[in-house]
Amino acid sequence: QKEVEQDPGPLSVPEGAIVSLNCTYSNSAFQYFMWYRQYSRKGPELLMYTYSSGNKEDGRFTAQVDKSSKYISLFIRDSQPSDSATYLCAMEDNAGNMLTFGGGTRLMVKP
Amino acid sequence: EPEVTQTPSHQVTQMGQEVILRCVPISNHLYFYWYRQILGQKVEFLVSFYNNEISEKSEIFDDQFSVERPDGSNFTLKIRSTKLEDSAMYFCASSEDSYGYTFGSGTRLTVV
Repeated sequence: QKEVEQDPGPLSVPEGAIVSLNCTYSNSAFQYFMWYRQYSRKGPELLMYTYSSGNKEDGRFTAQVDKSSKYISLFIRDSQPSDSATYLCAMEDNAGNMLTFGGGTRLMVKP
Repeated sequence: EPEVTQTPSHQVTQMGQEVILRCVPISNHLYFYWYRQILGQKVEFLVSFYNNEISEKSEIFDDQFSVERPDGSNFTLKIRSTKLEDSAMYFCASSEDSYGYTFGSGTRLTVV
């Protein structure tokens, strides 16, 4: 079983839609959960960062972590064409020495 | 906003040659990392560096690879005797507290 799994998409939605992106993981040692946005041939850009279980909101973005199910989500409200990118989940244990990434979900928001 | 700077943006090298990829992390950050992404694949961890020594390295990071912080601002990744399969995007990242990393834009390495 892969450590972090993410539906590769592509996910195509109309502008203004609510987008739900998800990852599942197998390593119960993961404590820190991040979402990155990556545009083509660019570096990952940190969007959200949460510790342990719970929700975190930042503008149009909400991150949720359910450690009991080993499942994390990123919700994007009022999606915009500029949100079109690949979204990567990443996780880290308490040692904090390395991130383990999902494969990324490609999102396309159509005007 | 502070950023991680990587040079060059694209490097083409012949198989068997040595390459050095350069990074300038954010100035007050203490933790430094190299990751790579082969086209169409996941971002993979290579190495983490803290207090002038390697704190963690992956199986990928074998004797072919080395890292150095030659001065107070630069952080380099050296790849000796490059192979075709080393072709990838290489990302440098830095962090103030070992969480919530900032990545650079990457160096695209093409081995021919």
